[in-house]
Order: sequence, then structure tokens, then C-alpha cells
Amino acid sequence: DGGITQSPKYLFRKEGQNVTLSCEQNLNHDAMYWYRQDPGQGLRLIYYSQIVNDFQKGDIAEGYSVSREKKESFPLTVTSAQKNPTAFYLCASSTLGGGYGYTFGSGTRLTVV
Amino acid sequence: DAKTTQPPSMDCAEGRAANLPCNHSTISGNEYVYWYRQIHSQGPQYIIHGLKNNETNEMASLIITEDRKSSTLILPHATLRDTAVYYCIVRVVGGSNYKLTFGKGTLLTVNP
Repeated sequence: DGGITQSPKYLFRKEGQNVTLSCEQNLNHDAMYWYRQDPGQGLRLIYYSQIVNDFQKGDIAEGYSVSREKKESFPLTVTSAQKNPTAFYLCASSTLGGGYGYTFGSGTRLTVV
Repeated sequence: DAKTTQPPSMDCAEGRAANLPCNHSTISGNEYVYWYRQIHSQGPQYIIHGLKNNETNEMASLIITEDRKSSTLILPHATLRDTAVYYCIVRVVGGSNYKLTFGKGTLLTVNP
């Protein structure tokens, strides 16, 4: 079955360490996205990519970095520069234009201690 | 993208229809209405979308008013598994704007 896979589901890191969250899709979607969700809040866009080797900052890109070397993969690195990294991170993908809706992964819950 | 307004929470009895309203009074002519839902600690799930006509699929129905300033998502026979946060989003489809902007949505609680 086609879908989008995020791993791991739970991640714990010490403060000051960089951490990379994985996102892989086999839907042949061109566009991929990373969102962050804090308790009781809506989703906020971190980065998005419409094509391989190209990506754009979303609303809260500071302290994060991404790469898009393959169409299927869009990993997110949470760097030590991100002041409040503890959150629920969601990856999504869509066709170009997103007309048929987004498909979301099941999320990675990152806790920094 | 146009802003949307939804009630923060609603209750519904199991087996009854759940009608979730959304106000989008500043919607423009080329913006679609999308609905997603998010069950606790999972990723959001696409439900339905529409431009001006009412739409129905296996999950829900979407009723858009004639002036397009508001819409209602209808879950015809709500079950306990429909308890979730429901997000109403309006956006242009195509072009260079691929972003989905999520608000806080409506927490629908289906009671036994």
C-alpha cells in the first residue's frame, strides 16, 4: 500500500544535540512538507519542497534544516539552534498544487531533555 | 489563504449526525474548502474538499452556502472513532502556493 512513513515514533535527545527525523513516501508525490504541532495548537509549517534539490522555508524555519536528494525522502534536522525543539513533528506529501489533499505521516514525538 | 473560524468544541451522541460549521467570509472565487481531521497523537487525515457544489464521499458530506462564506461538514452517523479535531481550511489549488495553513480546529467529542 502507498503511504508516508515517519520514523521513529518517539525520540529523546539531550539539549544541544542535533537530531534528524526521517520521512519517506511511496506515493510518487512531488511535494513534501514538515509541520510542527505543540500541545493544543494547530500545525505550523517548517519547510516544504516541490521538487528534488529544492525547498522553501515555511513560517517557523529557524533552527531547522532539510534536504531533498530523492523524490521519496525529505529528512528534517532539528539543530541545537532551535530554542524549543520538544514537539510533535508531522511530515506530509501531495501532488503538485495539492489539489487532491495532503497525505500525512503518523508523526514523530521529539522530547529534548 | 482566507481565514476560517470554527467553534473550539462540539459534542455529538453516537449514531446521530455531527454537523461541524466553518465560517470563511473572506473566501475568494478560486479558493477551495478542505476538511481534515486529527485523531489524538496521529497525523491529520484528509476528509473532503469542494469549491461551490455540495460534495459527498464515503466519510462525510460537505455543504457550502451559495455565497460560499460558510460551510458545514456532516458526519451522518457519528461513531466513537470520529472523536477528533476537525480542521476547516480554505486555499487556492495549483499555482505556486502549496501550503496548508491549519488553525486550532473544532474538537468533536462523540459520546456513547
